[in-house]
Amino acid sequence: DIQMTQSPSSVSASVGDRVTITCRASQTISTWLAWYQQKPGKAPKFLMFAASNLHSGVPARFSGSGSGTDFTLTISSLQPEDFATYYCQQAKSFPLTFGGGTKVEIK
Amino acid sequence: EVQLVESGGVVVHPGGSLRLSCAASGFTFDDYGMHWVRQAPGKSLEWVALISGDGGSTSYTDSVKGRFTISRDNSKNSLYLQMNTLRVEDSGFYYCAKGYRSGLYNYFDPWGQGTLVTVSS
Repeated sequence: DIQMTQSPSSVSASVGDRVTITCRASQTISTWLAWYQQKPGKAPKFLMFAASNLHSGVPARFSGSGSGTDFTLTISSLQPEDFATYYCQQAKSFPLTFGGGTKVEIK
Repeated sequence: EVQLVESGGVVVHPGGSLRLSCAASGFTFDDYGMHWVRQAPGKSLEWVALISGDGGSTSYTDSVKGRFTISRDNSKNSLYLQMNTLRVEDSGFYYCAKGYRSGLYNYFDPWGQGTLVTVSS
């Protein structure tokens, strides 16, 4: 199985800050990577696919990069609605696997 | 608008069985692969199973193989998860999710609101 490791597990930031979350795969996955946002008590929402392609309707302050084993999700200017937990997911092979999550908290 | 609505989550004893359902609307159901993903409270997400649009192909995570069965009824726009020999570690929210689009079915969009399964004695 491909293990996905996210860091940090949590980050405290203020509105307007730039936030970067990293995700590392235990083996190469090319760009078969997605990012999801989950708010408390809600289902995850699809943000990005193929490592850097924004899903329709996702604000442009979100961006993604990486290929192979190392990936990043960046929020260029954190907004109040962005405080949530973010998960990466590899889509290269079964079983499909997720990272442990990164909680973005208000400083 | 695409909608996925899960149902069937209850409290069940270890060793028991349960069937979850997911009612889909707003898209051509049999054009898309469908997934079940679960999440124990306070934990990360775990993919459980996938079924192809025509129901002819399935895939499971190892921990549920032989115990869970994913199925679909395209005439009813419905997805199911039959869960047998349940374990305490099967507890959590179960989400159905639509495969994103052709060639990209291993991404999940959108997700239902989830249904809670509790396995406890």
